[in-house]
Amino acid sequence: GAVVSQHPSRVICKSGTSVKIECRSLDFQATTMFWYRQFPKQSLMLMATSNEGSKATYEQGVEKDKFLINHASLTLSTLTVTSAHPEDSSFYICSASHFGNTIYFGEGSWLTVV
Amino acid sequence: QKEVEQDPGPLSVPEGAIVSLNCTYSNSAFQYFMWYRQYSRKGPELLMYTYSSGNKEDGRFTAQVDKSSKYISLFIRDSQPSDSATYLCAMNNGGATNKLIFGTGTLLAVQP
Repeated sequence: GAVVSQHPSRVICKSGTSVKIECRSLDFQATTMFWYRQFPKQSLMLMATSNEGSKATYEQGVEKDKFLINHASLTLSTLTVTSAHPEDSSFYICSASHFGNTIYFGEGSWLTVV
Repeated sequence: QKEVEQDPGPLSVPEGAIVSLNCTYSNSAFQYFMWYRQYSRKGPELLMYTYSSGNKEDGRFTAQVDKSSKYISLFIRDSQPSDSATYLCAMNNGGATNKLIFGTGTLLAVQP
């Protein structure tokens, strides 16, 4: 099946710094990518919908200035957590849609803010 | 009421058992239904994808959709310890830009 790659898989950063997570569709073009956050033993929480060449659409309650999303090409979307705080520590997952409704997920990125 | 309801489990079965996982939903506009498997500390893996009502089989997995009852199921035959994971149902109205609505996930443990 289609492959979505995330990088890095794990990152530790200091409080107050910014960290970037990349999401790539490896063998298909994705006009739309989605970014999720998942807390332990909970389901995925949609943060934003990333559209190639336009601004991301953020879900209610998600700070767009804190979670910057850029979808510069049909195969790459990035999530930048700005001025990270320990409460931003979480599992971040991206997904991309392939030929309509088949949606594939990346492996996820563990962020720890110390 | 949540748009998608899923029993969180945990569900524990012996190896070789038939497992039935279910979700109910309230939005009659949903047309695309998916089941994902998520191992601990990993991203979800697409298992089954179904459009509208009907059955779909892939190896040991069978997905059923009953739109009249707003009820979907995933059956796992001859369950294996490697099937131990969280199973998430997901659905949407259609179109690549439509966001998925997820169930809470069911934690399955298959005992050897």
